[in-house]
Amino acid sequence: GEDVEQSLFLSVREGDSSVINCTYTDSSSTYLYWYKQEPGAGLQLLTYIFSNMDMKQDQRLTVLLNKKDKHLSLRIADTQTGDSAIYFCAVAGGSYIPTFGRGTSLIVHP
Amino acid sequence: EAGVAQSPRYKIIEKRQSVAFWCNPISGHATLYWYQQILGQGPKLLIQFQNNGVVDDSQLPKDRFSAERLKGVDSTLKIQPAKLEDSAVYLCASSLDMGGTDTQYFGPGTRLTVL
Repeated sequence: GEDVEQSLFLSVREGDSSVINCTYTDSSSTYLYWYKQEPGAGLQLLTYIFSNMDMKQDQRLTVLLNKKDKHLSLRIADTQTGDSAIYFCAVAGGSYIPTFGRGTSLIVHP
Repeated sequence: EAGVAQSPRYKIIEKRQSVAFWCNPISGHATLYWYQQILGQGPKLLIQFQNNGVVDDSQLPKDRFSAERLKGVDSTLKIQPAKLEDSAVYLCASSLDMGGTDTQYFGPGTRLTVL
């Protein structure tokens, strides 16, 4: 089955850019998502990209997809303390059911 | 627009006891999902409903877990009997339909602790 890998922690200074990386195994994955989870809350969809796209930008968020290397990244520009959360990469194929990574804890310090 | 509601928010039980979780999806959403999120891991799909029919329950441990969505709106997830390894957050999500671009909206989850 699909396997999605992420690094567990990322620490950045406020105002810097954050880059969270994700790799997946199933080359037939069609939809690739980034979710945010704050403490005690459910997951919130931040953005998604189709497999036929290389990049998607949405305000401070930039998603890059390298389909050849099966690598997805999420860049957050001008990271703020409110961005501190766990970020999940998820990928889905024809069934549209996402397989989630273990999540990356983003810690933003002043 | 009201979000996905779940109750209870927290539950502590002893192993071999039974427990039930309730979910009320966003009004008009045809698709409802139950996920299990073990501490330190991403959510894993347990079951997916489209209206009141089951679309996918391949990851549901059917010897102890059951779920229903009788009228195509609210849903309950039951565990009977619970095991220690069932300790997790149970997340309910709903979406308008079941396409890849149909955003899943998640509830806050029910944190289950099995002692």
